Amino acid sequence: AQRVTQPEKLLSVFKGAPVELKCNYSYSGSPELFWYVQYSRQRLQLLLRHISRESIKGFTADLNKGETSFHLKKPFAQEEDSAMYYCALSDNYGQNFVFGPGTRLSVLP
Amino acid sequence: ETGVTQSPTHLIKTRGQQVTLRCSSQSGHNTVSWYQQALGQGPQFIFQYYREEENGRGNFPPRFSGLQFPNYSSELNVNALELDDSALYLCASSPGWGSMYTEAFFGQGTRLTVV
Repeated sequence: AQRVTQPEKLLSVFKGAPVELKCNYSYSGSPELFWYVQYSRQRLQLLLRHISRESIKGFTADLNKGETSFHLKKPFAQEEDSAMYYCALSDNYGQNFVFGPGTRLSVLP
Repeated sequence: ETGVTQSPTHLIKTRGQQVTLRCSSQSGHNTVSWYQQALGQGPQFIFQYYREEENGRGNFPPRFSGLQFPNYSSELNVNALELDDSALYLCASSPGWGSMYTEAFFGQGTRLTVV
């Protein structure tokens, strides 16, 4: 069964500290992996996707097929990074999106 | 501004009633997906429509149904409402389907409360 797990409901770090949001998945095949972010009072929006290999707002995520993980990392957290982060996967046709339960990141001053 | 709009923003219904939620996709987007997000959980995929045909479905009973119209607006219909249907319902559109189009643009959602 397709599944996405995010073990931390809440992650608090101080401004300037490194941050890593964990994501593990189970999927029979080659999924596409995404990170979506929801800032306060805003809609859910795409942060990054593994196939584009981009760094967005300083965030990167590496797909590790051996460990079935897609952790989100940023070397120096900023207060404006405080938000809800969802890891998600889909098949190659953009169907059957599966979202994780989300991690709330709180960056403290 | 993503251009995906949903109506209404809030709705209260009684158990057993039927409800219709509406979504207007971003211009040119011919794929729309609907999600249910219960409190404290991630969105759960209900179904997807592509060019007015259902193109994929999650683990939801048949009383959840949908329509997509030629102008790319869409509806989510839920019959025989149950208390557990209380959730935020999200609509998301994308310009096609396939590996090039898997980014979804989300609306703000409709908060449905079933009493």
